[in-house]
Parts: sequence; structure tokens; C-alpha cells
Amino acid sequence: QKEVEQDPGPLSVPEGAIVSLNCTYSNSAFQYFMWYRQYSRKGPELLMYTYSSGNKEDGRFTAQVDKSSKYISLFIRDSQPSDSATYLCAMTPNNDMRFGAGTRLTVKP
Amino acid sequence: EAGVAQSPRYKIIEKRQSVAFWCNPISGHATLYWYQQILGQGPKLLIQFQNNGVVDDSQLPKDRFSAERLKGVDSTLKIQPAKLEDSAVYLCASSFYAASYEQYFGPGTRLTVT
Repeated sequence: QKEVEQDPGPLSVPEGAIVSLNCTYSNSAFQYFMWYRQYSRKGPELLMYTYSSGNKEDGRFTAQVDKSSKYISLFIRDSQPSDSATYLCAMTPNNDMRFGAGTRLTVKP
Repeated sequence: EAGVAQSPRYKIIEKRQSVAFWCNPISGHATLYWYQQILGQGPKLLIQFQNNGVVDDSQLPKDRFSAERLKGVDSTLKIQPAKLEDSAVYLCASSFYAASYEQYFGPGTRLTVT
């Protein structure tokens, strides 16, 4: 079993849809949870991070962490074609970051 | 603020050849990371430097991979000799703090080994 599991998709939605991206993990020591966005032929860029359990909102993006279920989510409201990218979840107990495989999202106009 | 710079962007070599990648981190970032991202997978940490010292190289295949960070700024990652399974994107990242979730990535070097 991988430490971090992420459905690779691909996921295709129409513009304006609400998108839900998810990861599960097995290591209960993970404390920091991140979402990175990676456009084609580019390096990942940090979208959001959450420490421990709870929700965090930033504009159209909401990150949720449920440590009891070892499950994290990223919601994108009013999705735009510019959101088309691969979304990587990442997590770390303190230093050693572990990434999911990434979910490829396409938002169609 | 200039981002993380990497070169070359693309490289094609034959198996058993050698290759080197270069990275220049964001100015003032003491921590530098090299990741390997195989197609369809997330990045995997190869080595982490704090200034010019190695913090973690537990996943670096030391029989063929080597990395250095002279003077605590630029870094090079070398593969010698390359294998087919080394085909991947090699990402360099940097962060201000040592144990940081906020890492800034370069565009990567796409290596194809034939």
C-alpha cells in the first residue's frame, strides 16, 4: 500500500462546475497537508496548505483535512478553463514531503 | 523575485552515458531539493541540502547518482551511467526554511534515456 493514494483521473468537467479532488494516506504522523498545481511542462506550485485537521478557504479553493479518516480534499468552485492542470496532494510529518500521483483535471469552456 | 532556474530543459542521452543538471535556487533560500518525477507519478525526493550540507539523501541511488551544492547556492545533479529507468523529469526546488512545506519548484529537466 502506498503512503499517499490519489486517483489519477483524468477528470473532465464543464466550466463553472464544482470540482472535488481527494487523497487518502496511511501515515498518522503526517501533520502538514498541501495541494500543489502543476501545469503541463512546468514545476508544481503551492496552492494551499493546512496544518492538522480542519478547513481552509482561499478564494475559489477550499482545502479540508480529516485526520481521523486519513482523508484530504480540495474543492474548486466555479471552475475555469485556466484551472486545467494536474493537482498533486502532498503531506509531511515535518520535513520529508510525500506526494500523491496527481489528478489530471480538464475544465471545458 | 526570480524563480528557481534549471538547465537544460530537455536532454536525450543513450544508456550508459553521463548527464548533469544544474539548478539555481531563489536568492536567500538556504534549502535546496532535487526530486525525480516519473511520468504519471508524483515527485520523489532524491536529496535535500541545507546550505552546502546534505540533510537527506536516503532515496538517492548513490551507485549512479551524485549531487553537490558548492558555496550553498547553485547545485548540480549527475547521473553516471544512465539507465533506461532514469527517464523522468528532474525537478529542483528551494525553500527559505529547512523543514518547509512551502517549496518553490523550477520548471524541471526532462531526461530521456534511449
